[in-house]
Amino acid sequence: AQSVTQLDSHVSVSEGTPVLLRCNYSSSYSPSLFWYVQHPNKGLQLLLKYTSAATLVKGINGFEAEFKKSETSFHLTKPSAHMSDAAEYFCVVSVPSGGYQKVTFGTGTKLQVIP
Amino acid sequence: ETGVTQTPRHLVMGMTNKKSLKCEQHLGHNAMYWYKQSAKKPLELMFVYSLEERVENNSVPSRFSPECPNSSHLFLHLHTLQPEDSALYLCASSQGVRGRGNQPQHFGDGTRLSIL
Repeated sequence: AQSVTQLDSHVSVSEGTPVLLRCNYSSSYSPSLFWYVQHPNKGLQLLLKYTSAATLVKGINGFEAEFKKSETSFHLTKPSAHMSDAAEYFCVVSVPSGGYQKVTFGTGTKLQVIP
Repeated sequence: ETGVTQTPRHLVMGMTNKKSLKCEQHLGHNAMYWYKQSAKKPLELMFVYSLEERVENNSVPSRFSPECPNSSHLFLHLHTLQPEDSALYLCASSQGVRGRGNQPQHFGDGTRLSIL
């Protein structure tokens, strides 16, 4: 069994300040972890993925995430928020299941960026 | 630009109508998924097709009927829907590799469905 907990449903930051979106997971299998972003009326876009090659993962648009096995965490960060970062962010855990992926989504964190 | 295309983008239908949602992926993937996204609820996985075979059906009511005629196309046939079925329906695809869970899903922009 696997689960994902996004600790904050809403995060508000000022433009130019750091962003931290928190995610904790549990899995009985070595998981792959992903962060997706969803802008209004759009589908989910992959930001970055962790697949055991390196614990610090860099993604698109300046985002990165660090996998910490001891803390079962995969928090998403960005040094400086931009207005275009305002969106909803989903943390996802994935394990193999036959010929496809068994995926569990977090409940999402809405990021507000204040000018 | 997304490699997964969903049509229509918006659909309004009465409870007695029959309609279909279409999803097409241009990525050469072999697994396709339907999700339901309702306001203030987590993303719900509805169906999974792997190599055109349905491998997962998460207790979805029979008024939703999926069809996967080939690895590039996925349909969701709708009939006698209820108001609570109003939601954003998302299609995704991935390259399933047996024994590996590290392939990301690629999503379409969804169909916004409203039931009158």
